[in-house]
Amino acid sequence: EVQLVESGGALVQPGRSLRLSCTTSGFTFGDFAINWVRQAPGKGLEWVGFIRSKAYGGTIEYAASVKGRFTISRDDSKSVAYLQLSSLKTDDSAVYYCARAHRLEYWGQGTLVTVSS
Amino acid sequence: EVVLTQSPGTLSLSPGERATLSCRASQSVSSSYLAWYQQRPGQAPRLLMYGPSSRAAGVPDRFSGTVSGTDYSLTISRLEPEDFAVYYCHQYDKSPRTFGQGTKVEIK
Repeated sequence: EVQLVESGGALVQPGRSLRLSCTTSGFTFGDFAINWVRQAPGKGLEWVGFIRSKAYGGTIEYAASVKGRFTISRDDSKSVAYLQLSSLKTDDSAVYYCARAHRLEYWGQGTLVTVSS
Repeated sequence: EVVLTQSPGTLSLSPGERATLSCRASQSVSSSYLAWYQQRPGQAPRLLMYGPSSRAAGVPDRFSGTVSGTDYSLTISRLEPEDFAVYYCHQYDKSPRTFGQGTKVEIK
């Protein structure tokens, strides 16, 4: 069974950093891109970024709203993807989801990040 | 950036009725890279359709997707109680990837 589990969400102050993890099982992690998507409370879905598989160069792309502040990485040996959030703003408060592949065919349950002083 | 505009914002229908949701792209998008997701309250989104007329695993055949130029449609032939949810379209053809703002299908 394909599973993605996000963790690491927390209440943090503006300007601080946080690292989210996306721990996966049930598939060959290294074969797939991983996307990150967020959803602010009561709002729609916002694409954050993705990391391609090593077979496709492991390249990374970001939404303009997070570029330069967020960093996506992956550890294929552990089947885990990461989203490092830095210089956090109140507007970054959201549930953060990871999803497998570019068509987002499987999603985790999400982890809540609240940025507030 | 490809802007996806979904309409209507809210669709009020009764169980058994037909629902048609629209997603219009601001520029050409390969139809192979347009998908639809369903999100029930308190749950993560779930892939429904991609390609745009291929159903994801386990999706009942009352769901169908079509495309005409830059206009994409998701149709639910007969609404079941579990279909009342929010639906999003998403393009993964061009970067940045984008979502529509969502259509809520609510019980009338």
